[in-house]
Amino acid sequence: GAVVSQHPSRVICKSGTSVKIECRSLDFQATTMFWYRQFPKKSLMLMATSNEGSKATYEQGVEKDKFLINHASLTLSTLTVTSAHPEDSSFYICSAHTGVDNEKLFFGSGTQLSVL
Amino acid sequence: SQQGEEDPQALSIQEGENATMNCSYKTSINNLQWYRQNSGRGLVHLILIRSNEREKHSGRLRVTLDTSKKSSSLLITASRAADTASYFCATGPTGANSKLTFGKGITLSVRP
Repeated sequence: GAVVSQHPSRVICKSGTSVKIECRSLDFQATTMFWYRQFPKKSLMLMATSNEGSKATYEQGVEKDKFLINHASLTLSTLTVTSAHPEDSSFYICSAHTGVDNEKLFFGSGTQLSVL
Repeated sequence: SQQGEEDPQALSIQEGENATMNCSYKTSINNLQWYRQNSGRGLVHLILIRSNEREKHSGRLRVTLDTSKKSSSLLITASRAADTASYFCATGPTGANSKLTFGKGITLSVRP
């Protein structure tokens, strides 16, 4: 099956710093990747759709200047949480479709962000 | 707005028993999918059922879809302790929009 690799798995940072999370498709090319945020015991909330070579599409209520998304290649999308604050602490997960089965999502293993 | 709503929110069963989880949704769909999430990990796709299908099997999994009632069920037969996880239904909308909408999830605990 398709593999999506996400790093880091856990990060602890001080308030005001920026954190970059990487999402890579290891054995397929992904023109589109999705970034989700998940609170404890809650559902996944779609934050944005990352499009290779163009601007990301953000969901309503998600600050694009706060959550910077870059999708510079067909195998890599990054999410940068800028000037992180404690309320940004959450579990962030990326996912992608393969070209073969665009209906099924393959997920990274997630990043637990803790902002002190 | 939330599309899929699973119930129950939590389910605890004995190993070997069957686990049934339900999902209801509100709008028209192209397909419905079930995913599994182990604690602190990403989601893993389990099974997809299309709107023109009524039942689908994959190993110990059986999924049904009733589009008239806008509901789906996931049955895990002969459960194992390793099935302990959260299970999410996700609906794939009709039309060109390919974004899935996830439910809140069901926490399944299988006691050994």
